[in-house]
Amino acid sequence: QVQVQQWGAGLLKPSETLSLTCAVNGGSFSGNYWSWIRQSPGKGLEWIGEINHSGSTHYNPSLKSRVTMSGDTSKNQFSLKLTSMTAADTAVYYCARNRVGRYGLDPWGQGTLVTVSS
Amino acid sequence: DFVMTQSPLSLPVTPGEPASISCRSSQSLLHSNGNNLLDWYLQKPGQSPQLLMYLGSNRASGVPDRFSGSGSGTDFTLKISRVEAEDVGIYYCMQSLETPYIFGQGTKLEIQ
Repeated sequence: QVQVQQWGAGLLKPSETLSLTCAVNGGSFSGNYWSWIRQSPGKGLEWIGEINHSGSTHYNPSLKSRVTMSGDTSKNQFSLKLTSMTAADTAVYYCARNRVGRYGLDPWGQGTLVTVSS
Repeated sequence: DFVMTQSPLSLPVTPGEPASISCRSSQSLLHSNGNNLLDWYLQKPGQSPQLLMYLGSNRASGVPDRFSGSGSGTDFTLKISRVEAEDVGIYYCMQSLETPYIFGQGTKLEIQ
């Protein structure tokens, strides 16, 4: 059964770069798209973007200028970088698998709370 | 971009009673292959969201059959035939027809 486990720095200063990594366990990074989603405190869910094993990416236009996603098939991992962080980027960040055939986002990572504060 | 509108935003329910959540898309979610690209997720308190339904009406693995999804095009409904205490949380719909994928605002189900 595929699981995703994520990690990364939880406290950043304004203007710093967010860096998160998600590891795919019990399955392969290849063959699917993998998404990043965030949830601001007390708010709903915002899809950040997706990447597949070939490096093909689709980003949310609202964040596109600051987002870079990458993948490492040898490590079965994929990563998110978000530059120029501000307090508005404070959120819980999740990674998730896009099931083939657009059969939903599943499973989701445990979430990483990222706080931006000076 | 798509706009996904859920109603109600708050849903108090008595255990054993049915519940229904509506999700309306600003554009049709019907793919050329005949599938409606609409998912439902449940975020239980303190947990990550979990997939409930995909393609509008297909239950994800392990989801109890008291959950059902229906609809096509722009109007979709998630129904719970008999609410149980473990069903509390926030329910989200999400369109996956086109990127960026867009979530609804969420519907908070609570037990009365």
